[in-house]
Amino acid sequence: DTGVSQDPRHKITKRGQNVTFRCDPISEHNRLYWYRQTLGQGPEFLTYFQNEAQLEKSRLLSDRFSAERPKGSFSTLEIQRTEQGDSAMYLCASSRRPQGASTDTQYFGPGTRLTVL
Amino acid sequence: AQSVAQPEDQVNVAEGNPLTVKCTYSVSGNPYLFWYVQYPNRGLQFLLKYITGDNLVKGSYGFEAEFNKSQTSFHLKKPSALVSDSALYFCAVRGSGGSYIPTFGRGTSLIVHP
Repeated sequence: DTGVSQDPRHKITKRGQNVTFRCDPISEHNRLYWYRQTLGQGPEFLTYFQNEAQLEKSRLLSDRFSAERPKGSFSTLEIQRTEQGDSAMYLCASSRRPQGASTDTQYFGPGTRLTVL
Repeated sequence: AQSVAQPEDQVNVAEGNPLTVKCTYSVSGNPYLFWYVQYPNRGLQFLLKYITGDNLVKGSYGFEAEFNKSQTSFHLKKPSALVSDSALYFCAVRGSGGSYIPTFGRGTSLIVHP
């Protein structure tokens, strides 16, 4: 399978613990996005990388959240001191804008479902 | 600022009947519009997009969408619904300038009855 992969698929943690999620994008994609999705809502943007550079961060991304994309390949999203309000599905997407195209298309991974007890 | 409205939380249709899932948008500049489908406990799957050109866009699994600039709408359609089409459908928009980040609607649950 050459799609976007995420690990783990499910994570249950206790409030106050740190968690880290991993995303492996489609291999030729230079852009990588993190979103959060709660029940009954569409994906909400968290942050975006082009290659290894983090180019945009949402105001939703509190200082407890940090994301990295070393070497422009896989990415990690860490949440420190988790709170019950962090319970959500965390989605990763990747894209590449073909030469001459007006825009890219994001392809999503299966998500990591986080439950904070 | 850009925004998307999906006015129906749920759409019910009988198998074999045509379906429409509605989406309206607001954006600065020319719109880039997308439809995604999400099955339970899965990520979003890309269905189709409108960039420019023909107002009727054809996508995966027999879906199509009609771009209407004057009504700022991008409704998703299918001539004959299948039970397996039952899922959550998300419309997304981004403007032609500025951020690469699309804004997603809240989603519409499509239920196709046998």
